[in-house]
Amino acid sequence: DTGVSQNPRHKITKRGQNVTFRCDPISEHNRLYWYRQTLGQGPEFLTYFQNEAQLEKSRLLSDRFSAERPKGSFSTLEIQRTEQGDSAMYLCASSLAGTDEAFFGQGTRLTVV
Amino acid sequence: DQQVKQNSPSLSVQEGRISILNCDYTNSMFDYFLWYKKYPAEGPTFLISISSIKDKNEDGRFTVFLNKSAKHLSLHIVPSQPGDSAVYFCAAYNSGTYKYIFGTGTRLKVLA
Repeated sequence: DTGVSQNPRHKITKRGQNVTFRCDPISEHNRLYWYRQTLGQGPEFLTYFQNEAQLEKSRLLSDRFSAERPKGSFSTLEIQRTEQGDSAMYLCASSLAGTDEAFFGQGTRLTVV
Repeated sequence: DQQVKQNSPSLSVQEGRISILNCDYTNSMFDYFLWYKKYPAEGPTFLISISSIKDKNEDGRFTVFLNKSAKHLSLHIVPSQPGDSAVYFCAAYNSGTYKYIFGTGTRLKVLA
């Protein structure tokens, strides 16, 4: 399977714990996006990378959130001191510069209890 | 400020008939518009897109129409099949910001 891969698929954590998600984009794609989706809403933009450079962060991304893409390939999204409001589906997408389609992974569903 | 709006949260259509899903946007800087289909507990799957310089794009049973003057696009699925039952998201892309902005989705149910 050469699509976008996200791990884990599901994560249940206690409030206050740190969590980290991983995204492996389609191999030749140089743009990588993180989105968050809550029930009844569309995906909301969090941040994106072009190669290893993080070019924009949404104001939704508080100081507890950090994303990296150290070698321009896979990316990680870390949430520190999780809160119940962080419970959502975290989606990763990738695209090739010059094209318009972004392809999404299966998502990581985070539940903070 | 909701830049991309899908005003119908749900739609039910009989199998074999046409499904029409609508989307409105406010920002004239969007370059491309995309439709994604999403099943529960999965990520969105790309369906079809249209450039802002076109008014129609067709791919099999799926056709997207764009009316720039009205800032409106629609997705037509014909004939509708039970397997089309899912949530459909409209997304708009700005090549200046590289961001995709999504609507809130329309849940389509195709009745057998």
